[in-house]
Amino acid sequence: QQQVKQSPQSLIVQKGGISIINCAYENTAFDYFPWYQQFPGKGPALLIAIRPDVSEKKEGRFTISFNKSAKQFSLHIMDSQPGDSATYFCAASSDYKLSFGAGTTVTVRA
Amino acid sequence: KAGVTQTPRYLIKTRGQQVTLSCSPISGHRSVSWYQQTPGQGLQFLFEYFSETQRNKGNFPGRFSGRQFSNSRSEMNVSTLELGDSALYLCASSPKTSNTGELFFGEGSRLTVL
Repeated sequence: QQQVKQSPQSLIVQKGGISIINCAYENTAFDYFPWYQQFPGKGPALLIAIRPDVSEKKEGRFTISFNKSAKQFSLHIMDSQPGDSATYFCAASSDYKLSFGAGTTVTVRA
Repeated sequence: KAGVTQTPRYLIKTRGQQVTLSCSPISGHRSVSWYQQTPGQGLQFLFEYFSETQRNKGNFPGRFSGRQFSNSRSEMNVSTLELGDSALYLCASSPKTSNTGELFFGEGSRLTVL
């Protein structure tokens, strides 16, 4: 069963808009939460990551919000650009293993 | 710095055959992981190696095996191939010795089983 639940499955956003992807987990043994971006024909690429003792982390236009008590975390993509069109995966790490969400396909309309 | 290199990139096999996939991690990275990606199951963890030792293994049948060499290069093998083994097999390396989930993925080996 999916240890990390991700939503929505897909989203369409206008250029300059905000994309929001949500993830939830149950396993409290997870101790690191990275996000990956994948373009067709390529492997996933690390985008940004957060530890559970931090509530928010921002890198450029990408921000992770983390709610440890609710076991939820989210990715916000600000000022979305056509080049951001890709599939995004949230993940949770423990014991040298990543558990991935099902992925969100983001389409940014120019 | 060269990225993670996986070979072959594409291969076609028939049921019952076996396959070996190869991965060269980024220079200096000693941790290598393997993941299977399919449209139905998404990204699934296969195994992780560090200094030739398997530190974790995913929930796959024994037909799936792997190893890591002293130069950190890794191979995975799938024996007695089944149709459901058709997938993109991704190798990833990490410079970290501790558990961070910060992985650098290769472009994958796409296996088709007929």
